[in-house]
Amino acid sequence: GQNIDQPTEMTATEGAIVQINCTYQTSGFNGLFWYQQHAGEAPTFLSYNVLDGLEEKGRFSSFLSRSKGYSYLLLKELQMKDSASYLCVPSSGGSYIPTFGRGTSLIVHP
Amino acid sequence: NAGVTQTPKFQVLKTGQSMTLQCAQDMNHEYMSWYRQDPGMGLRLIHYSVGAGITDQGEVPNGYNVSRSTTEDFPLRLLSAAPSQTSVYFCASSYSLREGRNEQFFGPGTRLTVL
Repeated sequence: GQNIDQPTEMTATEGAIVQINCTYQTSGFNGLFWYQQHAGEAPTFLSYNVLDGLEEKGRFSSFLSRSKGYSYLLLKELQMKDSASYLCVPSSGGSYIPTFGRGTSLIVHP
Repeated sequence: NAGVTQTPKFQVLKTGQSMTLQCAQDMNHEYMSWYRQDPGMGLRLIHYSVGAGITDQGEVPNGYNVSRSTTEDFPLRLLSAAPSQTSVYFCASSYSLREGRNEQFFGPGTRLTVL
């Protein structure tokens, strides 16, 4: 099975930087996805890391350390529209079937 | 491309009724799946399919049936609706399960209430 640990809720100020951490334990790790889910909407794909290191995509960056079972999502220049849940989703096992937890609810205030 | 489409968007059922939630994708994806999401909870996998004619159970399959007669369509059938099945249902697809980078594309969801 999988064990995913990320904070339940975080708050930040518009224009600031926030880092959402995720630790995971899983067998047969392949890579790690981050998804964003706005309230009442479907999740949408943000990033995928398979190698150690930082991957940057505009205001969002994702980091992975395979040896530590650790990842983080970094959001810069926060905007109100970034208020959403952020789901850390390890991909593991031969089937690659993703497991979605509750994620981290990020609230951005003015 | 329309991506992943789901119908209906909203549905109210009475206990004991049956119905089918429709899901279709036009991206020629092999892998399709159904999730349910209860308030404040994560997505739980109901059933999935790795190709036409192949389906398997997920974490919470009881009370649901699926079929995959074509690559495009993956309907979810509620056999006898119960209030515990009140939830938001998401259909998702991805290119395959064989490749490591197989991000999920989600439909807009069906909001189901069972009275």
